[in-house]
Amino acid sequence: QQQVKQSPQSLIVQKGGISIINCAYENTAFDYFPWYQQFPGKGPALLIAIRPDVSEKKEGRFTISFNKSAKQFSLHIMDSQPGDSATYFCAASRGSGNTGKLIFGQGTTLQVKP
Amino acid sequence: DGGITQSPKYLFRKEGQNVTLSCEQNLNHDAMYWYRQDPGQGLRLIYYSQIVNDFQKGDIAEGYSVSREKKESFPLTVTSAQKNPTAFYLCASTPGTANTGELFFGEGSRLTVL
Repeated sequence: QQQVKQSPQSLIVQKGGISIINCAYENTAFDYFPWYQQFPGKGPALLIAIRPDVSEKKEGRFTISFNKSAKQFSLHIMDSQPGDSATYFCAASRGSGNTGKLIFGQGTTLQVKP
Repeated sequence: DGGITQSPKYLFRKEGQNVTLSCEQNLNHDAMYWYRQDPGQGLRLIYYSQIVNDFQKGDIAEGYSVSREKKESFPLTVTSAQKNPTAFYLCASTPGTANTGELFFGEGSRLTVL
């Protein structure tokens, strides 16, 4: 019930392509779904987040798609660039104030080839 | 610049020794967290503290200890009881009442037990 399952574990995309990372959750009480980006040797940083009252949120080349009935959400990176090469984590929690209760996915290592 | 400082960045220890990882923040955040990162397992919560002199166990607290004597500082001790201590350790913080759900991470400490 507390797990967030993320796939794929690794992803290789050509420059200019679309990168898609998927996450699935079980706990229907989750209502805050952030994505974090982590570069090698650095700590993660918040990339984009969504709440279940909307089905999509877009910030620049990054889009979260949310399917409440399927309990799935995904990150789309349009026009992927080599600088997007990083590890991406999805997460979920019940309420944004419960950051101490964030459940993270396993992570996806993205490599964008020039 | 405000941020979270973790030290040391790299640490090597012999099996059976206790080690303490430092985490200091000058963001005036109330809550602080320790996560452990292992390849393919995402981020797992070790301990968190929402106020000085108080802290709670996370999902994998066994073999670890913390203290929160000052608002700015949240050191983590990896004890000899931790069966597999080699990992990347991340410290994070969030504001109190102004919590938007974003975790602010340090750059991490990589512990290798020989």
